[in-house]
Amino acid sequence: EDQVTQSPEALRLQEGESSSLNCSYTVSGLRGLFWYRQDPGKGPEFLFTLYSAGEEKEKERLKATLTKKESFLHITAPKPEDSATYLCAVPGASGSRLTFGEGTQLTVNP
Amino acid sequence: GAVVSQHPSWVICKSGTSVKIECRSLDFQATTMFWYRQFPKQSLMLMATSNEGSKATYEQGVEKDKFLINHASLTLSTLTVTSAHPEDSSFYICSANPGTSVNYEQYFGPGTRLTVT
Repeated sequence: EDQVTQSPEALRLQEGESSSLNCSYTVSGLRGLFWYRQDPGKGPEFLFTLYSAGEEKEKERLKATLTKKESFLHITAPKPEDSATYLCAVPGASGSRLTFGEGTQLTVNP
Repeated sequence: GAVVSQHPSWVICKSGTSVKIECRSLDFQATTMFWYRQFPKQSLMLMATSNEGSKATYEQGVEKDKFLINHASLTLSTLTVTSAHPEDSSFYICSANPGTSVNYEQYFGPGTRLTVT
Protein backbone atom coordinates (compact mmCIF):
# COMPACT_ATOMS: atom_id res chain seq x y z
CA GLU A 1 0.00 0.00 0.00
CA ASP A 2 1.31 3.40 -1.00
CA GLN A 3 2.05 5.78 1.86
CA VAL A 4 2.80 9.50 1.88
CA THR A 5 3.82 11.42 4.98
CA GLN A 6 4.34 15.16 5.11
CA SER A 7 6.17 17.17 7.71
CA PRO A 8 5.90 19.45 9.47
CA GLU A 9 2.16 19.59 9.90
CA ALA A 10 2.33 23.36 10.23
CA LEU A 11 5.10 25.88 9.65
CA ARG A 12 5.25 29.55 10.51
CA LEU A 13 7.88 31.70 8.82
CA GLN A 14 8.75 35.33 8.76
CA GLU A 15 8.75 36.98 5.37
CA GLY A 16 12.11 36.28 3.74
CA GLU A 17 12.89 33.30 5.99
CA SER A 18 13.65 30.35 3.70
CA SER A 19 12.72 26.81 4.68
CA SER A 20 11.78 23.37 3.34
CA LEU A 21 8.77 21.10 3.50
CA ASN A 22 9.20 17.34 3.47
CA CYS A 23 7.23 14.60 1.76
CA SER A 24 8.29 11.01 2.46
CA TYR A 25 6.79 8.30 0.31
CA THR A 26 6.61 4.54 0.03
CA VAL A 27 5.34 3.20 -3.28
CA SER A 28 5.63 -0.03 -5.22
CA GLY A 29 6.85 1.85 -8.25
CA LEU A 30 7.09 5.61 -8.63
CA ARG A 31 4.88 6.96 -11.39
CA GLY A 32 5.44 10.55 -10.46
CA LEU A 33 5.23 12.68 -7.35
CA PHE A 34 2.97 15.72 -7.46
CA TRP A 35 3.04 18.91 -5.41
CA TYR A 36 -0.08 21.03 -5.04
CA ARG A 37 -0.91 24.27 -3.29
CA GLN A 38 -4.33 24.65 -1.70
CA ASP A 39 -5.77 27.91 -0.46
CA PRO A 40 -8.69 27.89 2.00
CA GLY A 41 -11.99 27.22 0.27
CA LYS A 42 -10.38 26.36 -3.06
CA GLY A 43 -9.32 23.28 -4.95
CA PRO A 44 -5.66 22.25 -5.08
CA GLU A 45 -3.54 24.08 -7.62
CA PHE A 46 -1.02 21.97 -9.49
CA LEU A 47 2.60 23.01 -8.92
CA PHE A 48 5.07 20.31 -9.99
CA THR A 49 5.54 16.76 -11.14
CA LEU A 50 8.77 14.92 -10.38
CA TYR A 51 9.48 11.53 -11.93
CA SER A 52 12.97 10.40 -10.98
CA ALA A 53 15.50 10.78 -8.19
CA GLY A 54 17.70 13.81 -8.70
CA GLU A 55 15.08 15.72 -10.62
CA GLU A 56 14.45 19.34 -9.66
CA LYS A 57 11.82 21.84 -10.76
CA GLU A 58 11.44 25.52 -9.96
CA LYS A 59 8.66 28.06 -10.07
CA GLU A 60 9.21 31.52 -8.69
CA ARG A 61 10.23 31.09 -5.03
CA LEU A 62 9.53 27.34 -4.99
CA LYS A 63 11.87 24.52 -5.86
CA ALA A 64 10.91 20.85 -5.66
CA THR A 65 13.49 18.09 -5.42
CA LEU A 66 13.20 14.31 -5.36
CA THR A 67 15.19 11.44 -3.89
CA LYS A 68 14.33 7.74 -3.84
CA LYS A 69 12.48 8.12 -0.54
CA GLU A 70 11.38 11.72 -0.21
CA SER A 71 10.72 15.02 -1.86
CA PHE A 72 11.41 18.49 -0.59
CA LEU A 73 9.67 21.72 -1.43
CA HIS A 74 12.11 24.52 -0.80
CA ILE A 75 10.70 28.00 -0.33
CA THR A 76 13.20 30.79 -0.81
CA ALA A 77 12.52 34.23 0.69
CA PRO A 78 8.80 33.54 1.12
CA LYS A 79 6.17 36.23 0.99
CA PRO A 80 2.82 36.35 2.83
CA GLU A 81 1.06 35.34 -0.39
CA ASP A 82 2.87 32.00 -0.22
CA SER A 83 0.75 31.13 2.81
CA ALA A 84 -1.30 28.03 1.94
CA THR A 85 -1.47 24.31 2.54
CA TYR A 86 1.00 22.37 0.42
CA LEU A 87 0.07 18.82 -0.53
CA CYS A 88 2.11 16.08 -2.10
CA ALA A 89 0.63 13.02 -3.76
CA VAL A 90 1.63 9.90 -5.67
CA PRO A 91 -0.44 7.93 -8.20
CA GLY A 92 -1.18 4.29 -7.44
CA ALA A 93 -0.44 1.12 -9.33
CA SER A 94 -3.28 1.72 -11.75
CA GLY A 95 -1.87 5.15 -12.36
CA SER A 96 -5.03 6.97 -11.48
CA ARG A 97 -5.82 6.92 -7.77
CA LEU A 98 -3.74 9.47 -5.86
CA THR A 99 -2.46 8.93 -2.34
CA PHE A 100 -2.15 12.29 -0.60
CA GLY A 101 -0.12 13.35 2.36
CA GLU A 102 -1.91 15.24 5.12
CA GLY A 103 -0.38 18.48 3.97
CA THR A 104 1.78 21.21 5.50
CA GLN A 105 0.01 24.40 6.44
CA LEU A 106 2.43 27.24 5.77
CA THR A 107 1.95 30.69 7.24
CA VAL A 108 4.28 33.51 6.23
CA ASN A 109 4.07 36.54 8.46
CA PRO A 110 4.94 40.00 7.12
CA GLY B 1 -3.57 25.09 -19.85
CA ALA B 2 -5.17 22.27 -17.82
CA VAL B 3 -8.08 24.27 -16.46
CA VAL B 4 -10.97 22.57 -14.68
CA SER B 5 -14.13 24.41 -13.73
CA GLN B 6 -16.93 23.54 -11.35
CA HIS B 7 -20.44 24.86 -11.12
CA PRO B 8 -21.88 26.02 -8.86
CA SER B 9 -19.15 27.28 -6.54
CA TRP B 10 -21.54 27.11 -3.64
CA VAL B 11 -25.07 25.89 -3.11
CA ILE B 12 -27.56 25.79 -0.26
CA CYS B 13 -30.37 23.29 -0.40
CA LYS B 14 -33.06 21.94 1.86
CA SER B 15 -32.92 18.50 3.37
CA GLY B 16 -34.46 15.89 1.07
CA THR B 17 -33.75 17.69 -2.18
CA SER B 18 -31.16 16.78 -4.80
CA VAL B 19 -28.25 18.87 -5.99
CA LYS B 20 -26.21 18.53 -9.17
CA ILE B 21 -22.59 19.70 -9.42
CA GLU B 22 -20.87 20.01 -12.80
CA CYS B 23 -17.18 19.53 -13.50
CA ARG B 24 -15.71 20.55 -16.84
CA SER B 25 -12.24 20.31 -18.32
CA LEU B 26 -11.96 23.50 -20.35
CA ASP B 27 -8.86 23.04 -22.47
CA PHE B 28 -8.24 19.31 -22.59
CA GLN B 29 -10.13 16.08 -22.88
CA ALA B 30 -10.38 14.07 -19.69
CA THR B 31 -10.86 10.36 -20.07
CA THR B 32 -10.90 10.06 -16.30
CA MET B 33 -12.45 12.38 -13.74
CA PHE B 34 -12.44 12.09 -9.98
CA TRP B 35 -14.71 13.34 -7.24
CA TYR B 36 -13.38 14.18 -3.80
CA ARG B 37 -14.87 15.36 -0.57
CA GLN B 38 -12.97 17.48 1.92
CA PHE B 39 -13.83 18.25 5.52
CA PRO B 40 -12.34 21.26 7.31
CA LYS B 41 -8.64 20.95 8.00
CA GLN B 42 -8.50 17.47 6.50
CA SER B 43 -7.00 16.12 3.33
CA LEU B 44 -9.01 15.15 0.28
CA MET B 45 -11.06 11.97 0.41
CA LEU B 46 -11.62 10.23 -2.92
CA MET B 47 -15.27 9.37 -3.45
CA ALA B 48 -15.30 7.91 -6.95
CA THR B 49 -13.50 7.61 -10.25
CA SER B 50 -15.37 8.01 -13.48
CA ASN B 51 -14.35 7.14 -17.00
CA GLU B 52 -16.13 8.62 -19.98
CA GLY B 53 -18.94 6.40 -21.16
CA SER B 54 -18.77 3.88 -18.34
CA LYS B 55 -20.03 3.51 -14.81
CA ALA B 56 -18.18 5.18 -12.00
CA THR B 57 -16.09 3.22 -9.54
CA TYR B 58 -16.94 4.17 -5.99
CA GLU B 59 -14.63 4.01 -2.99
CA GLN B 60 -15.54 1.77 -0.10
CA GLY B 61 -18.17 3.36 2.10
CA VAL B 62 -19.48 5.77 -0.53
CA GLU B 63 -23.14 5.17 -1.36
CA LYS B 64 -23.45 5.00 -5.13
CA ASP B 65 -27.22 5.50 -5.01
CA LYS B 66 -26.77 8.68 -3.05
CA PHE B 67 -23.90 10.15 -5.02
CA LEU B 68 -24.78 9.67 -8.68
CA ILE B 69 -21.94 10.30 -11.09
CA ASN B 70 -22.30 10.71 -14.83
CA HIS B 71 -19.38 11.17 -17.21
CA ALA B 72 -21.20 11.66 -20.46
CA SER B 73 -18.46 13.34 -22.44
CA LEU B 74 -14.72 13.82 -22.42
CA THR B 75 -15.10 17.28 -20.90
CA LEU B 76 -18.01 16.93 -18.48
CA SER B 77 -18.74 14.93 -15.36
CA THR B 78 -21.61 15.54 -12.97
CA LEU B 79 -22.14 14.59 -9.34
CA THR B 80 -25.71 14.52 -8.08
CA VAL B 81 -26.27 14.34 -4.35
CA THR B 82 -29.70 12.76 -4.00
CA SER B 83 -31.99 13.28 -1.03
CA ALA B 84 -29.38 15.45 0.63
CA HIS B 85 -29.12 15.60 4.41
CA PRO B 86 -27.19 17.97 6.67
CA GLU B 87 -24.39 15.39 7.04
CA ASP B 88 -23.79 15.70 3.28
CA SER B 89 -22.72 19.30 3.79
CA SER B 90 -19.12 19.47 2.69
CA PHE B 91 -16.66 20.80 0.14
CA TYR B 92 -16.78 18.75 -3.06
CA ILE B 93 -13.88 18.93 -5.50
CA CYS B 94 -13.46 17.30 -8.87
CA SER B 95 -10.29 16.61 -10.77
CA ALA B 96 -9.51 15.52 -14.29
CA ASN B 97 -6.72 13.54 -15.88
CA PRO B 98 -5.73 13.99 -19.53
CA GLY B 99 -5.50 10.24 -19.79
CA THR B 100 -2.26 9.69 -21.63
CA SER B 101 -0.38 6.51 -20.92
CA VAL B 102 2.40 8.22 -18.97
CA ASN B 103 0.75 11.28 -17.46
CA TYR B 104 -1.12 10.64 -14.26
CA GLU B 105 -1.38 14.27 -13.25
CA GLN B 106 -4.72 15.39 -11.91
CA TYR B 107 -5.93 18.96 -12.31
CA PHE B 108 -8.46 20.12 -9.79
CA GLY B 109 -11.51 22.31 -10.02
CA PRO B 110 -12.11 25.18 -7.60
CA GLY B 111 -14.56 23.16 -5.51
CA THR B 112 -18.23 23.42 -4.60
CA ARG B 113 -19.37 24.22 -1.08
CA LEU B 114 -22.63 22.37 -0.33
CA THR B 115 -24.71 23.33 2.67
CA VAL B 116 -27.82 21.30 3.44
CA THR B 117 -30.28 22.93 5.83
